[in-house]
Amino acid sequence: QKEVEQDPGPLSVPEGAIVSLNCTYSNSAFQYFMWYRQYSRKGPELLMYTYSSGNKEDGRFTAQVDKSSKYISLFIRDSQPSDSATYLCAMSATLGRLYFGRGTQLTVWP
Amino acid sequence: GAVVSQHPSWVICKSGTSVKIECRSLDFQATTMFWYRQFPKQSLMLMATSNEGSKATYEQGVEKDKFLINHASLTLSTLTVTSAHPEDSSFYICSARVEKGAGNTIYFGEGSWLTVV
Repeated sequence: QKEVEQDPGPLSVPEGAIVSLNCTYSNSAFQYFMWYRQYSRKGPELLMYTYSSGNKEDGRFTAQVDKSSKYISLFIRDSQPSDSATYLCAMSATLGRLYFGRGTQLTVWP
Repeated sequence: GAVVSQHPSWVICKSGTSVKIECRSLDFQATTMFWYRQFPKQSLMLMATSNEGSKATYEQGVEKDKFLINHASLTLSTLTVTSAHPEDSSFYICSARVEKGAGNTIYFGEGSWLTVV
């Protein structure tokens, strides 16, 4: 079993839809949880980060962490074509080595 | 958010030559930086962890004599691909750890595309 599981998609939604992305993990030592957005041929851009459990909201993005279920989510409200990218979840126990999901490819069509 | 800058964004070099990629933290000090490699449509593969003032820690299977890492200051880490070959062509990305108490997290650079011809 991989440390982090993420459905690679692809996921295709119409503009304005609510997008739900999620990852599951197996290592209960993970405390730092990040979501990155990566456009083609670019480095990952940090969207959200959370320490331990809980919810965090930033504009159209909401990140949720449920450590009891070892499950994290990213919600994108009012999705836009510019949100089309690959979304990577990443997590770590000590902010040393990051463990990544495979990435979910999202397309938002007008 | 914090800014991590990589240079060059893309580079083409001849087989057998060496090429250096720089990673800078522009608005914070980074005691720890990380170097990744990414193949098309795949996730990032950690190559090494770079600590300021000490030797880098390489992941299993990564040749330390081929991928030289230097972290001489709190804002700069460099990756030198020595005696490059076409199979070294890839997307190389660095990241840096920001330590701000509850705001601890990791930011990535824009990446550097290396093509060896």
